[in-house]
Amino acid sequence: DGGITQSPKYLFRKEGQNVTLSCEQNLNHDAMYWYRQDPGQGLRLIYYSQIVNDFQKGDIAEGYSVSREKKESFPLTVTSAQKNPTAFYLCASSPSRAGGLYEQYFGPGTRLTVT
Amino acid sequence: QKEVEQNSGPLSVPEGAIASLNCTYSDRGSQSFFWYRQYSGKSPELIMFIYSNGDKEDGRFTAQLNKASQYVSLLIRDSQPSDSATYLCAVSQGAQKLVFGQGTRLTINP
Repeated sequence: DGGITQSPKYLFRKEGQNVTLSCEQNLNHDAMYWYRQDPGQGLRLIYYSQIVNDFQKGDIAEGYSVSREKKESFPLTVTSAQKNPTAFYLCASSPSRAGGLYEQYFGPGTRLTVT
Repeated sequence: QKEVEQNSGPLSVPEGAIASLNCTYSDRGSQSFFWYRQYSGKSPELIMFIYSNGDKEDGRFTAQLNKASQYVSLLIRDSQPSDSATYLCAVSQGAQKLVFGQGTRLTINP
């Protein structure tokens, strides 16, 4: 059963703590992405990775870190430096083909609440 | 000017009618265009993508692209209550990224 899994679904943390969100895909997609969504808003890109051991900052990377040690996995760490971490975090993956950007598929998301 | 703009709505349409959702974008170099549906509390689900000018039909959905005018639209025919959701327009930026609009909330009234 192919797809993208994110865990946990809900996460609660105290301010000042780092937290890592999991994202795994078995679609054999090369590219993976992390987005953040705040209430009533669209998606904003945090980090993305086109190949293993390489990743790029998106539009709002400050306070976040990622790794891409395996093709299937792209974990996101929300650090204590992120000023407003409470949000809905979405992981996506995409087949990477020569010449262009193709459709992205999303996991179910992790809702993070920091108090 | 926002890179991708959508009317936030809410857009209210009677059941069985045609729902029309619009999106404009600022980057003339954009090549790929996507429509996602997002139910409340859920993640976005891809429903259509279009790369060439003109219309692309898939069941009750039609995507329309006009690169000269920099707009892309989504038509939903025979609207059903299950179509009530937020619809996100996404536009490629370069070869690696998508930029999303803020979404249009659509309500289908029985």
